[in-house]
Amino acid sequence: EVQLVESGGALVQPGGSLRLSCTASGFTFGDSAMSWVRQAPGKGLEWVSGFSGNGDYTYYADSVTGRFTISRDTSKNTLYLQMNSLRGEDTAVYFCAKLQPWVGLDYWGQGTLVTVSS
Amino acid sequence: ETVMTQSPATLSVSPGERATLSCRASQSVSSNVAWYQQKPGQAPRLLIYGASTRATGIPARFSGSGSGTEFTLTISSLQSEDFAVYYCQQYNNWPSLTFGGGTKVEIK
Repeated sequence: EVQLVESGGALVQPGGSLRLSCTASGFTFGDSAMSWVRQAPGKGLEWVSGFSGNGDYTYYADSVTGRFTISRDTSKNTLYLQMNSLRGEDTAVYFCAKLQPWVGLDYWGQGTLVTVSS
Repeated sequence: ETVMTQSPATLSVSPGERATLSCRASQSVSSNVAWYQQKPGQAPRLLIYGASTRATGIPARFSGSGSGTEFTLTISSLQSEDFAVYYCQQYNNWPSLTFGGGTKVEIK
């Protein structure tokens, strides 16, 4: 059974940093493309960042480029999102999801809440 | 960046009736569109991929169509569990993805 479990969400001050984790099980993590998607309170879904299956490429939405970094540790089956220079508009539930090429996001975690506020 | 625009923002439908949701891409994305359902407090669930292929376990009352820039999700006979928010998404340039703004299907 595929499982994705996010952690690391917290209340952080503007300008601060936070690292989210997503621990994966039930599939070959090292061969899989992964994504982070966020949802601000009462708003729609916004793709944030993606990691190619072979690990060679990373991708970011314009809104987070230069501030967020996606990475993974295949020995721990864990995906990370390092978030720096956080802003109020980064407040959201952050989901990690497995991306099946030419299919879409076929498995999702339950999400972790990041609140940026003073 | 490809912008996905969904309409309407809210759709009021009676149980048993048909619901038709629209999604337009700002440029051609071929058939590389997925649809998701999200209920309050839950993660989204993949319904349709390749514009028209149902994901595993999705009931036949859900169907998708379209290609290029115009896409449609149809729910043939709404059940109580179908009242939710629906999002389209393009993955023509995966891993870069974009979502539409969502359509809320509510009980009339």
